[in-house]
Formats: sequence, C-alpha cells, structure tokens
Amino acid sequence: KQEVTQIPAALSVPEGENLVLNCSFTDSAIYNLQWFRQDPGKGLTSLLLIQSSQREQTSGRLNASLDKSSGRSTLYIAASQPGDSATYLCAVPWNNDMRFGAGTRLTVKP
Amino acid sequence: SQTIHQWPATLVQPVGSPLSLECTVEGTSNPNLYWYRQAAGRGLQLLFYSVGIGQISSEVPQNLSASRPQDRQFILSSKKLLLSDSGFYLCAWSPENTEAFFGQGTRLTVV
Repeated sequence: KQEVTQIPAALSVPEGENLVLNCSFTDSAIYNLQWFRQDPGKGLTSLLLIQSSQREQTSGRLNASLDKSSGRSTLYIAASQPGDSATYLCAVPWNNDMRFGAGTRLTVKP
Repeated sequence: SQTIHQWPATLVQPVGSPLSLECTVEGTSNPNLYWYRQAAGRGLQLLFYSVGIGQISSEVPQNLSASRPQDRQFILSSKKLLLSDSGFYLCAWSPENTEAFFGQGTRLTVV
C-alpha cells in the first residue's frame, strides 16, 4: 500500500528565505509525483509534475526533485514571498487513485 | 486548453435533504474523473472515480453516490444528507492517471 508523508506539517519563515518542503512515499514504483498548492477554501493548483524518469523539474522560483530509490521528493522555494503562503501537497498515482500527503502549511511573514 | 468547473462553491443544507454537486470538464475527451473529500486538517480521501460514461467505482462505503451521464460531466449525489457529510468536496480529472487537475471545490455544511 502506498503511503505519502509530508514533513514538516507547518512552517513559518521570514520573507526572502529559501526553504525546502519534504515528501516521502513508501512504494518507489511510481509513474510520477505531483506537487500542488492549496489556498484556504480553494481547490488544488498543480505546481510541478515530475515523471519517474526525471530527477527534477523547475518552474520559476520552484524546483522539485525526485529520488525514487529512497522514496523522497523535495520542493525547493527560492526567495520566498508572502504570496507563497499556502498549503503544499504532494501526491503520487496509485491504482486509480492519487495518494496525497497531509500537506505542509507554509506561512511567509513580511 | 482544458478547464474544470465545479459548483456550487458553498452549500448549506439541512440534515435529510438531497444533494447534487456537479463537475464538468472542457477541452478534453474521455478523461478520468474523480470526487475527493477533504476533512479539516486531513488529507484528501477518494470517494469515486470514473474511467468512462456510466462507469463508477467507489472507494469507501458512504451515504453518497456518483454518476457520469456524459463524457465530461460527473455528479455527486445523496438522497438524504447526514451531519457527517459536511466537508470540502473536490472534483478532479486526469488523462489516464497522469497529471491531475482540480476544480475549486465545494464547501458543504450540513446543519
């Protein structure tokens, strides 16, 4: 059974800091891993999709890495801004489902 | 480009009343469609998924049902709501279990 864990559950940083969010999964036989952002009371916005054959993906200030063998992915946010405050979730496909972590709630203070 | 629409955004319903939440996808054909529920402070729980018209699979026993009357329409229903049905419901689609895209969600409060 695939289980996804995200650490830390919450993170508060001052504006401008670089930060890393962690995601781990128990079964390394994944097709891909996806990172999402969720603002309070809103749906999920896809940030990055890493295919199983890739090591990392970049979009603007975001960089996601994938290490299948160790069952880990990290989301790196450079030069954080208050607008980055949100909950970040990672997910992997599993059968006909997607298994989600519980998310990391990020607060970037001005 | 593909878009997903989910409505209503918020809903307050009395216990015992019926429910109908609708989700439609534009710009693609034969998508996989999903209904998730997100409880406060917890992860997303898959409720139903569909790989085609009239094909519905349920992941958990519950007071809810789903239907897919058209290729790009997915409906979540209940005949009689329970207090425990309150939550945040999310519709999603994906092209054959690859990247997933979500609607904006429906906040359901059963009173």
